[in-house]
Amino acid sequence: GESVGLHLPTLSVQEGDNSIINCAYSNSASDYFIWYKQESGKGPQFIIDIRSNMDKRQGQRVTVLLNKTVKHLSLQIAATQPGDSAVYFCAENPPPSGTYKYIFGTGTRLKVLA
Amino acid sequence: ETGVTQTPRHLVMGMTNKKSLKCEQHLGHNAMYWYKQSAKKPLELMFVYNFKEQTENNSVPSRFSPECPNSSHLFLHLHTLQPEDSALYLCASGDKSYEQYFGPGTRLTVT
Repeated sequence: GESVGLHLPTLSVQEGDNSIINCAYSNSASDYFIWYKQESGKGPQFIIDIRSNMDKRQGQRVTVLLNKTVKHLSLQIAATQPGDSAVYFCAENPPPSGTYKYIFGTGTRLKVLA
Repeated sequence: ETGVTQTPRHLVMGMTNKKSLKCEQHLGHNAMYWYKQSAKKPLELMFVYNFKEQTENNSVPSRFSPECPNSSHLFLHLHTLQPEDSALYLCASGDKSYEQYFGPGTRLTVT
């Protein structure tokens, strides 16, 4: 079946450095993507989203890049902080649009080193 | 706080027990979801309710029975579960803006 996958299961980053988390999605017709952050003992928390008609979107300290040619999504976190330690996963919304269905990746654990 | 609450937060049940998970959203959303999250696996969509109507049953075994009495409440009734059903069960709500808001989850252990 279709799936969304992540290249690295664990990423260790020094505090203050930038983090890049990658995601490969499967459906070239997916028109909406979300990055989630999940801290231990909590549910996933929305970080940032992007629609397929965009290549880049910036939030506060986070940037999402979308490369539709290779079906690749990345999340960049600037000046990584200890509070950024969590599991991050992406989700794609395949067609038909508006069905409220998402395909989620397995997640990448980000560890911030002091 | 995301506006989505789940109870209980932790549940241990035997394979012959019957229990229910509860989810409540205070966001005025029309859609509610049940997901299963197992270790090292992606989030698995179980059920979707839109305006109280079930619009998705993702081939979930009948030992899981959802109920949506209104747009703010969602239940998951459990009976004769198996140990492999042990997981984190997440509820989410959303609207046509696509964003989904998740609750904290219920950690279920089947013994």
